[in-house]
Amino acid sequence: ETGVTQSPTHLIKTRGQQVTLRCSSQSGHNTVSWYQQALGQGPQFIFQYYREEENGRGNFPPRFSGLQFPNYSSELNVNALELDDSALYLCASSLADRAYEQYFGPGTRLTVT
Amino acid sequence: RKEVEQDPGPFNVPEGATVAFNCTYSNSASQSFFWYRQDCRKEPKLLMSVYSSGNEDGRFTAQLNRASQYISLLIRDSKLSDSATYLCVPSYNNNDMRFGAGTRLTVKP
Repeated sequence: ETGVTQSPTHLIKTRGQQVTLRCSSQSGHNTVSWYQQALGQGPQFIFQYYREEENGRGNFPPRFSGLQFPNYSSELNVNALELDDSALYLCASSLADRAYEQYFGPGTRLTVT
Repeated sequence: RKEVEQDPGPFNVPEGATVAFNCTYSNSASQSFFWYRQDCRKEPKLLMSVYSSGNEDGRFTAQLNRASQYISLLIRDSKLSDSATYLCVPSYNNNDMRFGAGTRLTVKP
């Protein structure tokens, strides 16, 4: 186990709704990254947070937003859900100077109907 | 063209076999390179970094060819526990890691 936890495990939402996913990073890790993984695909980088600020973003629209808290835990918020948002959402924590060595949580499976 | 291209496989090999995976990436600005493995229904885990000079970690050897924008992973003496999906990951910087779709390996007894 990596020590990274995510909640909830599974979630079902309808199109147009909003969702918040949560991540607790491994002890001592100050950087959190979020990824979307569709079936049969690799994880796609959404964004990264360091010191409570966004520190890089992938090709995702503004309706994907996030937060990092002083204890380094993080949230991913998605507004106006679309059917294509159905995927596994992974968060990964790391140390800022070794951000390539990412420790992933088990993910949240989001289904949008 | 995909930013990171990998043969999806599956590669089905017997125990003890040597198997090689290739990966090409399109963004020449990529600075760092990694291989991650992902077991079925599990999260990805860092396998190894890839250095320009090539590097080994036990039975695993990684190579990088920047001119051809090509990365490879060689697994010698395959074990049953090597069965997984192997993800090629070029990175622009430590913030932006671009995962390939992965190559699936099954090692059979």
